[in-house]
Amino acid sequence: GENVEQHPSTLSVQEGDSAVIKCTYSDSASNYFPWYKQELGKGPQLIIDIRSNVGEKKDQRIAVTLNKTAKHFSLHITETQPEDSAVYFCLGGGADGLTFGKGTHLIIQP
Amino acid sequence: DGGITQSPKYLFRKEGQNVTLSCEQNLNHDAMYWYRQDPGQGLRLIYYSQIVNDFQKGDIAEGYSVSREKKESFPLTVTSAQKNPTAFYLCASSMVPVGNQPQHFGDGTRLSIL
Repeated sequence: GENVEQHPSTLSVQEGDSAVIKCTYSDSASNYFPWYKQELGKGPQLIIDIRSNVGEKKDQRIAVTLNKTAKHFSLHITETQPEDSAVYFCLGGGADGLTFGKGTHLIIQP
Repeated sequence: DGGITQSPKYLFRKEGQNVTLSCEQNLNHDAMYWYRQDPGQGLRLIYYSQIVNDFQKGDIAEGYSVSREKKESFPLTVTSAQKNPTAFYLCASSMVPVGNQPQHFGDGTRLSIL
């Protein structure tokens, strides 16, 4: 199956600073790259996604960048706020496109 | 409101018992999924279904069974053959094709062994 590696597993940043989380995938046929946010005791929610025909997508403080040659995509959060504290997951591609990364626990320090 | 509903929120099972977790969606999605989440871990795929009366095994299907008799419903049975069933179970749905569309998740069922 698809191999998806997500780094870092924990990320602590000062409120107002930026955070970057990276996922690497193995299947060159992958063409859909979403990021999900999971708060404690809840199901994950889609926050942003990108398809292989573009290199970057932005939505206010959140952006996703894709490097198809290197097979990695990254989540960028700028001007971090306390409500950004959560676990973030990427989803890899491949034949079924259903392999999640192991998650990044983002901690926003006041 | 359209959404996906999982019940119950908490479930307790005795050793040797089968239990069934409910998942219902009113988003008119063709595809539905079951994932297992262990503490500090990512989501691992148990089963998914792309259409009524059809489903495929995921990475950790052993000890689980599913059915898809209606488009709106995709119940998961945790059988006594699943030796370590304590986990957080998440159901999701999406449009097709699978793996190429955003998934919408329920808020999960936490299963514990008594």
